[in-house]
Amino acid sequence: EVQLVESGGGLVQPGRSLRLSCTASGFTFRDYRMNWFRQAPGKGLEWLGFIRSKTYGGTKEYGASVKGRFTISRDDSESIASLQMKNLKTEDTAVYYCSRDGVDYDTAFDMWGQGTMVTVSS
Amino acid sequence: QSALTQPASVSGSPGQSITMSCTGTSSDVGSYNLVSWYQQYPGKAPKLMIYEGSKRPPGISDRFSGSSSGNTASLTISGLQAEDEADYYCCSYAGTRTFVVFGGGTKLTVL
Repeated sequence: EVQLVESGGGLVQPGRSLRLSCTASGFTFRDYRMNWFRQAPGKGLEWLGFIRSKTYGGTKEYGASVKGRFTISRDDSESIASLQMKNLKTEDTAVYYCSRDGVDYDTAFDMWGQGTMVTVSS
Repeated sequence: QSALTQPASVSGSPGQSITMSCTGTSSDVGSYNLVSWYQQYPGKAPKLMIYEGSKRPPGISDRFSGSSSGNTASLTISGLQAEDEADYYCCSYAGTRTFVVFGGGTKLTVL
């Protein structure tokens, strides 16, 4: 089955760090650009960043709101994309999703995980 | 505040057609044919409905269609059904500094 599964969410205090994982199955993970998004409660979708495939250098790009605090990485041997978040703020409270693009679609995301909830609170 | 502007809500009766808009700028919607649309039910992940402005992924009903003119993209749903009631988000490529932007979403109500 083709799927993405996010994990690693939970309750974290402001200023702390958290690492989310996105485990892929059913497709050739290494070929895809992997993206992270979030959706704060009752709010819209926000793109956080992506990591390109190794074919395109494995380089990363980030949205302005998280640049410098969040880091995306990938492990193609395990088909996992990760989102390392540091110095978390209460406004980072959201459901975090991963998705793919770059093969069948350009800047269109055809598969999403179920999301993982991150709550930043003291 | 979202980069792309969508109406907060639209509504229609079963069988009718509705169109929702997504207004961007010459830096995103107006410059790239890379607008996509997503349907999202409460508590669920988004689902890709339209890509590259007007193309449908496999399995998406032809009741859903997309178009674009200038800095505004549109999603039209014809033959409205109760199951179409959801939130809809537009998304666009925005160049090599911003990359990806979303609209704030439109809540579709089927009366």
